[in-house]
Amino acid sequence: LAKTTQPISMDSYEGQEVNITCSHNNIATNDYITWYQQFPSQGPRFIIQGYKTKVTNEVASLFIPADRKSSTLSLPRVSLSDTAVYYCLVGDLNTGFQKLVFGTGTRLLVSP
Amino acid sequence: DVKVTQSSRYLVKRTGEKVFLECVQDMDHENMFWYRQDPGLGLRLIYFSYDVKMKEKGDIPEGYSVSREKKERFSLILESASTNQTSMYLCASTTSLRGARTEAFFGQGTRLTVV
Repeated sequence: LAKTTQPISMDSYEGQEVNITCSHNNIATNDYITWYQQFPSQGPRFIIQGYKTKVTNEVASLFIPADRKSSTLSLPRVSLSDTAVYYCLVGDLNTGFQKLVFGTGTRLLVSP
Repeated sequence: DVKVTQSSRYLVKRTGEKVFLECVQDMDHENMFWYRQDPGLGLRLIYFSYDVKMKEKGDIPEGYSVSREKKERFSLILESASTNQTSMYLCASTTSLRGARTEAFFGQGTRLTVV
């Protein structure tokens, strides 16, 4: 499994764009990159997933450079409710089974 | 609406007791996972299962065992609870469908206190 490295914490203000970068130097050819969000006292929930280039949904965008050794989760115009822990995971979806290993994540604090 | 349900939200047990944490999913998922979460340590994988009666150790299996007799149910067992097992326990499930988006669905968590 590819190891991931993220910043421990980040601070932002309401209305700003937040970019959280994840490093995964040992990503394998078949690995996908997935991001989860976790609010206090809840289980993580899926945000976005991608393989290369850019993926966008109603919540976030995921930018993946050509070498795929890192990825950036972009949250446009954050609000107080985006305060949460964000986890980056890397794994092979094509094996039919994936051991999900979460790291410590990035704790995002959004202030007024 | 997809559901992963954990049997208890809060639990208080005494040191030495045998503790069962139950998790049920209604999505016909093949894979199920148990994690514990402690402040500053993120989610740590205890055990996972990719099929009925199959189990694999995660990163911190010591002091725990699991049981998967039916596809929808995955139980975490603390054979003899200790105070250092006080934690939030989270259950999750995913499908093994090849090429499918691997989205993990989590239960609401069980906050276990061992006194």
